[in-house]
Amino acid sequence: DVVLTQSPLSLPVTLGQPASISCRSSQSLVHSDGSTYLNWFQQRPGQSPRRLIYKVSDRESGVPDRFSGSESGTDFTLKINRVEAEDFGVYYCMQNTHWPWTFGQGTKVEIK
Amino acid sequence: EVQLSESGGGLVQPGGSLRLSCAASGFTFSAYVMSWVRQAPGKGLEWVSSISDSGRSTWYADSVKGRFTISRDNSKSTLYLQMNSLRVEDTAVYYCVWGHGAHWGQGTPVTVSS
Repeated sequence: DVVLTQSPLSLPVTLGQPASISCRSSQSLVHSDGSTYLNWFQQRPGQSPRRLIYKVSDRESGVPDRFSGSESGTDFTLKINRVEAEDFGVYYCMQNTHWPWTFGQGTKVEIK
Repeated sequence: EVQLSESGGGLVQPGGSLRLSCAASGFTFSAYVMSWVRQAPGKGLEWVSSISDSGRSTWYADSVKGRFTISRDNSKSTLYLQMNSLRVEDTAVYYCVWGHGAHWGQGTPVTVSS
């Protein structure tokens, strides 16, 4: 199974400052169709997860452009340009290139 | 607007069974893979099972293989999860998920306890 390792697991941030979350995969996430199915989700307390980014760097409709995704080989990064109050919560990476689909452990972004 | 509405969760004793349902609307249900993902209390997300658009292919996490069965009725735009031989460790909120994660339902809680 593909193991996704997120770091850090806890990320205290100051409003207006940037934040970055890493997701390292145990193997290549390039599908046979040439796409890389790495997603990022945000989960606010008491809410269902919401997908922010799909295929490494494509933003979902309605997601602010302060969120961006990138990759370097098997290392993936979610960046928040300037953290706003509504951005606090838990962030998960998830791959659906290989079965079984797997998630990272989650990164809790909280107010410093 | 895409809507996914789960139902069927509740309290069940170990060894018991439950059937979850997910009513979908706002998209062409029969054209997409559908999945179940769960979240134990205070824990992270765990993929449980997926089913192809036609229903002919299914995939399961090792933790539920042989005990859970995913199915769908494309004429009713509804996804199901039959859960048998439930264990305490199956306690979680179960989410219905569209495609590769684009939309999630509100979740239905399942508690397995004596």
